Amino acid sequence: DQQVKQNSPSLSVQEGRISILNCDYTNSMFDYFLWYKKYPAEGPTFLISISSIKDKNEDGRFTVFLNKSAKHLSLHIVPSQPGDSAVYFCAAYYGGSQGNLIFGKGTKLSVKP
Amino acid sequence: GAGVSQSPSNKVTEKGKDVELRCDPISGHTALYWYRQSLGQGLEFLIYFQGNSAPDKSGLPSDRFSAERTGGSVSTLTIQRTQQEDSAVYLCASSSHVFGTEAFFGQGTRLTVV
Repeated sequence: DQQVKQNSPSLSVQEGRISILNCDYTNSMFDYFLWYKKYPAEGPTFLISISSIKDKNEDGRFTVFLNKSAKHLSLHIVPSQPGDSAVYFCAAYYGGSQGNLIFGKGTKLSVKP
Repeated sequence: GAGVSQSPSNKVTEKGKDVELRCDPISGHTALYWYRQSLGQGLEFLIYFQGNSAPDKSGLPSDRFSAERTGGSVSTLTIQRTQQEDSAVYLCASSSHVFGTEAFFGQGTRLTVV
């Protein structure tokens, strides 16, 4: 039973346009959400996060939106750059400070020049 | 250390042999996670430690897999009688688990069972 779902295995976007990566979750106990970026042969690196008490968090070109009623979050990258090409993982903590960290299966983003 | 360190970075083993994978978390991080990523797949949760105890072992695929953590620091993931389907990249992450902090990943151990 997958608690964090990324239904799009891949996404292709033109350089300069917006990339929107989506994530759905099933467990209402999740209270903190994160996005990670992974290049081949490297470990995932943290990108941006959002607490369940917020609906938006912005950091430079990256914005994460959270819709708790829909149990949905999205990552927007504007403008997209070729260096953004990587696999993006959505992750969620539940149980506050005692929680486990659950990942989705990832979405491979390709930004074309 | 400055980051999460995993060793070895690569391991080739024969089917049926036991292997040990090591993770050195960031100093002071109380939470430690093990994941694996098979070819073309996502991050599969294996086990989570809070201190030396493992509140959640639900992801261990079989009883051939075990993990321990000592001194609230180093963790070892052991796979006994390895099978070809165990071939994957095994990733370790640690977190201070203060609310609002992220987990930091190591570079992973690429395990190949031949």
